Amino acid sequence: EAQVTQNPRYLITVTGKKLTVTCSQNMNHEYMSWYRQDPGLGLRQIYYSMNVEVTDKGDVPEGYKVSRKEKRNFPLILESPSPNQTSLYFCASRLGTVTEAFFGQGTRLTVV
Amino acid sequence: AQSVTQLDSQVPVFEEAPVELRCNYSSSVSVYLFWYVQYPNQGLQLLLKYLSGSTLVKGINGFEAEFNKSQTSFHLRKPSVHISDTAEYFCAVRERLTQGGSEKLVFGKGTKLTVNP
Repeated sequence: EAQVTQNPRYLITVTGKKLTVTCSQNMNHEYMSWYRQDPGLGLRQIYYSMNVEVTDKGDVPEGYKVSRKEKRNFPLILESPSPNQTSLYFCASRLGTVTEAFFGQGTRLTVV
Repeated sequence: AQSVTQLDSQVPVFEEAPVELRCNYSSSVSVYLFWYVQYPNQGLQLLLKYLSGSTLVKGINGFEAEFNKSQTSFHLRKPSVHISDTAEYFCAVRERLTQGGSEKLVFGKGTKLTVNP
């Protein structure tokens, strides 16, 4: 089954404790992205990747890092999480320009 | 930079009534447009997309949307809604960031559709 898998689905952590949210897709897609969803703000892109070893900042990259060492994986790293990073995070992948984006189920992160 | 405006943050309707969710985007230059639906506690799922050709696009679950270049709009419609259509709906436009290079989807802020019995 074609899918984007994120882990964990739910995470509560403390300020400053490094964490990684994993994202994996099994569709051999070139493009992968991370979004955060906040009430009243819709989805905002954090980082995206056009291919292996090619990543770039989105609209809200501060406080986040990503890597794309393999085509299928695109982890999101929070080196020192802060409460303002409490949000719902989505990973997405797509094959190309005109194709649809496939989204993971989301990771609800709470930083206390 | 592209922007997407969803004019209604919440739309309540009764079951079997028609509904229109409005979406306007900022530029009419070579756009690709999408509508996604998010059911509670789930990720986003594509409803329909406009790439080129016919301005009336049909999607899943009986939804359709009309691309209007002169009004830079891409409104979503359904003639008769069901309780199961209760969800949040997002309009999105593809933005090209560099010539022949990277691009991204720009999302609106979403419209929460609530279908009441």
